[in-house]
Amino acid sequence: NAGVTQTPKFRVLKTGQSMTLLCAQDMNHEYMYWYRQDPGMGLRLIHYSVGEGTTAKGEVPDGYNVSRLKKQNFLLGLESAAPSQTSVYFCASSYLAERENIQYFGAGTRLSVL
Amino acid sequence: RKEVEQDPGPFNVPEGATVAFNCTYSNSASQSFFWYRQDCRKEPKLLMSVYSSGNEDGRFTAQLNRASQYISLLIRDSKLSDSATYLCVVGTYNTDKLIFGTGTRLQVFP
Repeated sequence: NAGVTQTPKFRVLKTGQSMTLLCAQDMNHEYMYWYRQDPGMGLRLIHYSVGEGTTAKGEVPDGYNVSRLKKQNFLLGLESAAPSQTSVYFCASSYLAERENIQYFGAGTRLSVL
Repeated sequence: RKEVEQDPGPFNVPEGATVAFNCTYSNSASQSFFWYRQDCRKEPKLLMSVYSSGNEDGRFTAQLNRASQYISLLIRDSKLSDSATYLCVVGTYNTDKLIFGTGTRLQVFP
């Protein structure tokens, strides 16, 4: 039961470097999300996708790009990393059952930008 | 005003105690409500959904008050393993997105 898998688990970047975070789910969910979590701020939505080939902006999209070329994968890219992007990143996937959107999370990626 | 507000705590309680958390939400169109649990340095996990009629799962009881726009979580007979951060989560009808509160931290001591 893999569920939602995020890679890598940890990463240290220098300012200006780029990287891609990968999220993979094996539950055939239509919806996928990228959040960041900072102390005292809670989970904030970066980008999300309601199906293969679609993406939409969340609450804090600046500095990030995403792609959903395959239903099971959702990629988060940082083109030019900044220290303000130091955070814990969580991916989630979900389906809509009646009125409920129940999200399942990956284990997170801890990113430090120096 | 935040869309979902919680007391950050920490709530420090002895084993066996009963503890309650409240959460308020600002969007009256909200239709779905959840409590998630997050252990230190781990991902959030669904604890329970919250229904208008209230619901119970073992030692945990969740209630919704639409008139006052708040949700509550009651934990009876607290265990050491209940120590975690509890996230209040709200969604609107057929929404693609959920709004997460910043969490209430619970510490249960022996």
